[in-house]
Amino acid sequence: GAVVSQHPSWVICKSGTSVKIECRSLDFQATTMFWYRQFPKQSLMLMATSNEGSKATYEQGVEKDKFLINHASLTLSTLTVTSAHPEDSSFYICSASHAQETQYFGPGTRLLVL
Amino acid sequence: GDSVTQMEGPVTLSEEAFLTINCTYTATGYPSLFWYVQYPGEGLQLLLKATKADDKGSNKGFEATYRKETTSFHLEKGSVQVSDSAVYFCALYLSYTGGFKTIFGAGTRLFVKA
Repeated sequence: GAVVSQHPSWVICKSGTSVKIECRSLDFQATTMFWYRQFPKQSLMLMATSNEGSKATYEQGVEKDKFLINHASLTLSTLTVTSAHPEDSSFYICSASHAQETQYFGPGTRLLVL
Repeated sequence: GDSVTQMEGPVTLSEEAFLTINCTYTATGYPSLFWYVQYPGEGLQLLLKATKADDKGSNKGFEATYRKETTSFHLEKGSVQVSDSAVYFCALYLSYTGGFKTIFGAGTRLFVKA
């Protein structure tokens, strides 16, 4: 089946620094990519939807200047957490889609901000 | 608003026991319904889906029936195996002009003992 990778799988950073997370579709072209955030024992919360070559659509309550999303190609989307703070510590998951109703998920990236 | 509620875990069962994980939803219109499974260290994978009322999704011995009258999509398996230990997410798929969105339940962790 289709494979989506994320890099890094985990990252620890100091407060105030920026962190970039990559999401790649390895064997298909993803017209749409999604970024989710998952808190412990909670659901995946959709942060934003990005279509290749256009600006991301952010969900209500998600700061677009804080969480920068770039979908520069059909196989790569990046999420940059700018000026990270401890409250940004979480599990970030991306998914990629090439057709309606179909999503393939990455394994997630665990971010810890000290 | 649109939402998904699923039973809290963890659920602990012995091998060959019967499994039910409850899921109910609130949505406008007629959404498609999904169950995803997340094995340790891996990304979410689609387990089964149903696109309209009374449809039954099935895969790997798991089944779920789309019940519009009770707004439910309960997951069942007649005889669980240790390899079924994972986190299970019920999800609602909503289509809109220009895209789609998936809303997830909180996830239910299943432990199966040998």
